[in-house]
This record gives sequence, structure tokens and C-alpha cells, in this order.
Amino acid sequence: AAGVIQSPRHLIKEKRETATLKCYPIPRHDTVYWYQQGPGQDPQFLISFYEKMQSDKGSIPDRFSAQQFSDYHSELNMSSLELGDSALYFCATTFGGLREQYFGPGTRLTVT
Amino acid sequence: EDQVTQSPEALRLQEGESSSLNCSYTVSGLRGLFWYRQDPGKGPEFLFTLYSAGEEKEKERLKATLTKKESFLHITAPKPEDSATYLCAVQDSQGGATNKLIFGTGTLLAVQP
Repeated sequence: AAGVIQSPRHLIKEKRETATLKCYPIPRHDTVYWYQQGPGQDPQFLISFYEKMQSDKGSIPDRFSAQQFSDYHSELNMSSLELGDSALYFCATTFGGLREQYFGPGTRLTVT
Repeated sequence: EDQVTQSPEALRLQEGESSSLNCSYTVSGLRGLFWYRQDPGKGPEFLFTLYSAGEEKEKERLKATLTKKESFLHITAPKPEDSATYLCAVQDSQGGATNKLIFGTGTLLAVQP
């Protein structure tokens, strides 16, 4: 069965640079959630989209922005990167009224 | 404020030694409680959804149960391949349009042969 695709899988950036993370949902999934997981921590909700509209916003820094496109894929844009942004970034997708979220393999971002 | 607490933080079992992981939660209204398995450096893998107190679900050696305040993940006769971090998460029905997951910090399970 098709799974959530995230790219790139690994990304190394320097402080103050920008990064773009991409998420491709499972076919027919129309809702995307972004989570950040620091070392040894649980995933923290950043932002979500339903039918290309932002549906909720969590602890996402103002330096970050995201959007969902007409094909339902989503991109997380991160600017002025800081050392503390180093983490695993997951997207999770779901469909309509389905409650469970299916996670992608994640993007490991390292800021040096 | 919604809160999820998991215990123990880490658990070491011998192969075949059954045990239970605990997830205590506080939410305004429970829309769903979820169990995920996470291997190092990988995305959480969905295991179970529980919706109401008294509900139980099983999958191979795993069984999840739910009460009004907590959930248990019972592992029967575990094998080394069951070693992973097990995450519990809730959705709050009072959260408006969002169905964001609120996670606990997980239980790191190690099963030794």
C-alpha cells in the first residue's frame, strides 16, 4: 500500500539559511499535519491543512510557513534557521472523517 | 490543558515476559486515543484507535484497552522485534476544527532474547 512520502530525508543547513520540506500524502488523503520531534522528545504539532486551507496552528515559529497545494501535497518553509531547529520533521495525513493519522518517514534537519 | 503521561519511561523485558504500558490522559473531551510504534529515526507507525471507555483492540501480541482516565497496552509473550518506542496520543473533541495529536513522551521497550 502507498505510504506518505517526505523529501528530502536528510537536510543539512547552516544558521540563517532557509529550508523547504515536502510531504506527499497517501492517495485520496486530503488533510496534512506537520510535527516536529526533537531528540528524545515526543512529536509536537506545528500546523495542519484540510482541503488546502489552514485548519490549525500549534507551536510553529513565525519564521516557518506552510501551505497545501491543489494536488494535496504540502510544503513547510523554514527561514532564518537556528541551531534549535535541528529535529525530525514528520508529516502525517488522513482522509475526511478518519481519525487516525498516518506518518511519513520524516525529514532529519540538521542546522550547523 | 490537555496532557498525556506515559509510564514507565523505559522497560526491559526478557523474550516471552508479558507486561503492560500505561498512558494516563487529561482532555476536555476524548475524541480518540491512539497508540503508535516508533523505531529509531523513523515515523510513528499506527497501531490502534480507541474511542470510548471499555473498548479493547488486539493485534498479534498487542492488546490496547481504555478507561475514562487511562489506556493500557498489554504485550503478551514479546519477541525482540517488538523492541521500539510506544507512543500514546489523544485528540480532544473540544479542539474545534483540528484533530491534532497530543503525544506522551513514550515508553522505550527493549526485549532481550
